[in-house]
Amino acid sequence: SQQGEEDPQALSIQEGENATMNCSYKTSINNLQWYRQNSGRGLVHLILIRSNEREKHSGRLRVTLDTSKKSSSLLITASRAADTASYFCATAGPGPGTASKLTFGTGTRLQVTL
Amino acid sequence: EAQVTQNPRYLITVTGKKLTVTCSQNMNHEYMSWYRQDPGLGLRQIYYSMNVEVTDKGDVPEGYKVSRKEKRNFPLILESPSPNQTSLYFCASSLSGLSPLHFGNGTRLTVT
Repeated sequence: SQQGEEDPQALSIQEGENATMNCSYKTSINNLQWYRQNSGRGLVHLILIRSNEREKHSGRLRVTLDTSKKSSSLLITASRAADTASYFCATAGPGPGTASKLTFGTGTRLQVTL
Repeated sequence: EAQVTQNPRYLITVTGKKLTVTCSQNMNHEYMSWYRQDPGLGLRQIYYSMNVEVTDKGDVPEGYKVSRKEKRNFPLILESPSPNQTSLYFCASSLSGLSPLHFGNGTRLTVT
């Protein structure tokens, strides 16, 4: 399995601060995706970065990918209380077989306080 | 509204009593998948389907069955549930196995 591992497991920051979460994975990928999950609800897709991309932005989100280190980071700038959630990275393999599924990490729980 | 609909939202059952969790999507997606989520283990894939009548095992398929007779529906069947199948289950769909997934709201299953 090429399950991603998020770091840290939990992160607590104050509103207005930036939050950085990291994801490491084990084998080659086609793309890496980040998802958010509000307590017990379904995951929501945030951003996808392909293996030939190094950085991607979407609103207050910035994702970087370093395929040589097999790692990615998600930066949330100017965090808000509404950003409180768990964040997961998911990797899609490069080949026809492994491309058939996304493999999720165990997540980072972000708490943003006022 | 584009969505993945799972039912029921909550389910309590007893060991050995067959149950089905339904999943339906209205986005004409080719790919559908079932995951279970357990504390500390993240999401683990149970089964997936690349298209109608095409299904395959994920990482934790034991004790589960699926079928894909129609493009929009992908039910999860537990023939003889056991307590270790107590979990939060999610159905998801996407255009392809590489595309972003759309998730249902989950089914919290308790097997006593």
